[in-house]
Formats: sequence, structure tokens, C-alpha cells
Amino acid sequence: AQTVTQSQPEMSVQEAETVTLSCTYDTSESNYYLFWYKQPPSRQMILVIRQEAYKQQNATENRFSVNFQKAAKSFSLKISDSQLGDTAMYFCAFMKHGYGGSQGNLIFGKGTKLSVKP
Amino acid sequence: DGGITQSPKYLFRKEGQNVTLSCEQNLNHDAMYWYRQDPGQGLRLIYYSQIVNDFQKGDIAEGYSVSREKKESFPLTVTSAQKNPTAFYLCASSGDLFQPQHFGDGTRLSIL
Repeated sequence: AQTVTQSQPEMSVQEAETVTLSCTYDTSESNYYLFWYKQPPSRQMILVIRQEAYKQQNATENRFSVNFQKAAKSFSLKISDSQLGDTAMYFCAFMKHGYGGSQGNLIFGKGTKLSVKP
Repeated sequence: DGGITQSPKYLFRKEGQNVTLSCEQNLNHDAMYWYRQDPGQGLRLIYYSQIVNDFQKGDIAEGYSVSREKKESFPLTVTSAQKNPTAFYLCASSGDLFQPQHFGDGTRLSIL
């Protein structure tokens, strides 16, 4: 079974600074997707970034980028130029790619609460 | 605008009562999902549906039931068999099982 671990329950960062959120996962699958979702106080889950395991290049979306280390099973999220609106819970998630059961099942970590301070 | 609509936003259940949570999407997505979120936890999959008239159990399906009679709709019934139903419920959809999932705003269910 796959597991996702986020070892930082809470973090804080000053506005305009850079912060990195950690995520590790455990799987025997070779083909999978990894995601970071953001959940602001409104509770809606918002997709931040996605990484396909077969791609060596790290995904980037504006101020958000990942450091994907497949051998180490590590998938960290870097937020540059932090903004007050980045304050939220951040969830790392894993999804198996391919058929044979459990397809489409997102496995979530417990989340990291990020506070951006003015 | 395309999106996922969950209703109601807040729901209260009496002991022994079944309640149904609504989820509607106008994104023309084939796949739909229901997740449960407990305080301090990530989301856990209850049920998912790849296509109309088909659905599969997720990790915590006991005490829940679903139907998928229309592509746009995937209601979740929390039955009296679910002994600890108090939680935040999120519905999601995706183009297929391998596309990113988009979420609704959620329904908070509480026990009276």
C-alpha cells in the first residue's frame, strides 16, 4: 500500500521570502503521479502542481516549483516570493498510474499548515 | 462558469437517519469522487465512479452509498450504519481517472 508522509505539521514564513514544504512517499509502483494541493480557510481544495514520475524535469507553476527525487521518494514544494494569500493547508498526494485497481485513488498526507506573516 | 457544486454547505443528522449530500458538475468530466476529511487529517476516498452507472468502493466505503445515474451528478448517502459521520465531505471530478481532480467547496456534516 502507498503512504504519504508530511513531517512538518506547521510552518511559517515572512512575506516575500521562500519556503520549502517536505513530502516523502512509499510505493512499489514505478509509474505514478504526485500532486500538491492547497486548502485555504475556505476549505476548497485547489491543485497547485502536478508531477509525472516518468519525467525527470521538475514541474514549475509560476512561484511554485517542486524538487522531485524519485530514488529517495521525496517530493518537496518550494514557494518563492511568499504572499499572504498563500496561507493555507498544503497537502501532498500520490496517485498510481495504470490499471489493476485503485486507479484514480489519491492518497493524501496529513498536511502542513503554512502561515505567511506580513 | 464550469465547476462543481456541493449542497448543502452544512448538514445535520439525527441518530438513525440517512442523509444525502449532493454533488453536481458541469465540466463534462467522466470520473467523480467522494472524499472524507477529518480534523488534522488528509482526505480519504469513500467511493469513485469512472462512468455513468458504474462506481467502485474506496478505502472507507462502509456506511455510505452512492449512485451515478447521470454524468453530471454523484450523490452520496450517509446511512445510519455509519457510526461516526461527523466530518467534512468533498466531492471531486476529473476528465478520466488519470487527470487532475477538481474539487467542490465541501459539505460539513454534524450529528444532532
